[in-house]
Amino acid sequence: AQSVTQPDIHITVSEGASLELRCNYSYGATPYLFWYVQSPGQGLQLLLKYFSGDTLVQGIKGFEAEFKRSQSSFNLRKPSVHWSDAAEYFCAVGGPLTGANNLFFGTGTRLTVIP
Amino acid sequence: DAGVTQSPTHLIKTRGQQVTLRCSPKSGHDTVSWYQQALGQGPQFIFQYYEEEERQRGNFPDRFSGHQFPNYSSELNVNALLLGDSALYLCASRLAGLHGYTFGSGTRLTVV
Repeated sequence: AQSVTQPDIHITVSEGASLELRCNYSYGATPYLFWYVQSPGQGLQLLLKYFSGDTLVQGIKGFEAEFKRSQSSFNLRKPSVHWSDAAEYFCAVGGPLTGANNLFFGTGTRLTVIP
Repeated sequence: DAGVTQSPTHLIKTRGQQVTLRCSPKSGHDTVSWYQQALGQGPQFIFQYYEEEERQRGNFPDRFSGHQFPNYSSELNVNALLLGDSALYLCASRLAGLHGYTFGSGTRLTVV
């Protein structure tokens, strides 16, 4: 079965500190992996995506993620967090088994940034 | 360039009623998907429309139905509303053959 686990429900970091949000997935084939961000009352904005090739993916707003097949992980990182990064972050998986249309999302990690 | 537009933004309905939610995809996009996001949860895939047909469906009952019009806009209909249908309903669009959806801001449905 396809699933995504985001083990951290809530993370608090200081502005300027580094950030890593964890994502583990279960998928029976080579996955398509995504990170989305959602601000309160807003829809989802795509940060980055992985389909194939280089396992280190660069996204918008200074975010990057690394696909590690051996660990079934796709962790999101940012070297220096800004106060505007406070939001909910969702990892999602799709692929040839279920179609890129049918994304399975994790339950999200809420990021709080303190001054 | 307008993104994905959803209407209404908020809606309150009574159990047993029917509701229709609307979505206009981003300009140039021809594929629309709908997701349900319950409070504190990630979005769950409902179905996807392309060329006015339902192409893929998630694990949702037949009470959930949809439509896509020739201009690519879409509707989500839910019949016989249950309290558990209360959620944020997200519409997402993309151009067929490409990956990475653009999401709208959603319709917040409350069933009382």
